[in-house]
Amino acid sequence: QVQLQESGPGLVKPSETLSLTCTVSGYSISSSYYWGWIRQPPGKGLELIGSIHYSGNTYYNPSLKSRATISGDTSKNQFSLKLSSMTAADTAVYYCARHDRGRELMDYWGQGTLVTVSS
Amino acid sequence: QSALTQPASVSGSPGQSITISCTGTSSDIGVYNYVSWYQQHPGKAPKLIIYNVSNRPSGVSNRFSGSKSGNTASLTISGLQAEDEADYYCSSYTSSSTVIFGGGTKLTVL
Repeated sequence: QVQLQESGPGLVKPSETLSLTCTVSGYSISSSYYWGWIRQPPGKGLELIGSIHYSGNTYYNPSLKSRATISGDTSKNQFSLKLSSMTAADTAVYYCARHDRGRELMDYWGQGTLVTVSS
Repeated sequence: QSALTQPASVSGSPGQSITISCTGTSSDIGVYNYVSWYQQHPGKAPKLIIYNVSNRPSGVSNRFSGSKSGNTASLTISGLQAEDEADYYCSSYTSSSTVIFGGGTKLTVL
């Protein structure tokens, strides 16, 4: 059973950089698939931020590409998101998920973590 | 890339069927069969219920079905049950090599 769990701060100050980590169990991230981050502002829809393949290939949503960095640590079976220059508009629940780029779907999701941007 | 367009809300009575539409463009739904649907209960993560327009992952009820015509995809839920009350999101791959989602539809089971 593939399981994902997000971890990181729940509160970030404006202009700071958000750092989140997703720990995967039940599947090796170095086996296959992309591993991605999706966010959902309160009461709003979903937005794919980007994803990473174990080979190091990354994909980013063009609207966030300048601020987002996704990296992986196969030794810990984890991948991470850094999002710079945070503003109130970045307040959202952040999910990590397994991204099947062959069918462009997310089939396993973490429970999500709420990140609030406030001073 | 703009979000896909979904109705804000739909409703139906137990046992009835409902359909949720998802309208895109000739740069996404109109040219790709990479359309997925997700179900999200309050406070929970989204759950994949349809992929590649009309395929169901293992374990998903056959009461859920998907289709596509032109730039519009549709999700149909037959034999509505109370547990189907949730938010539903469509997604599609785009010609910009991105995945975009719809704004979501709240399903109320009366």
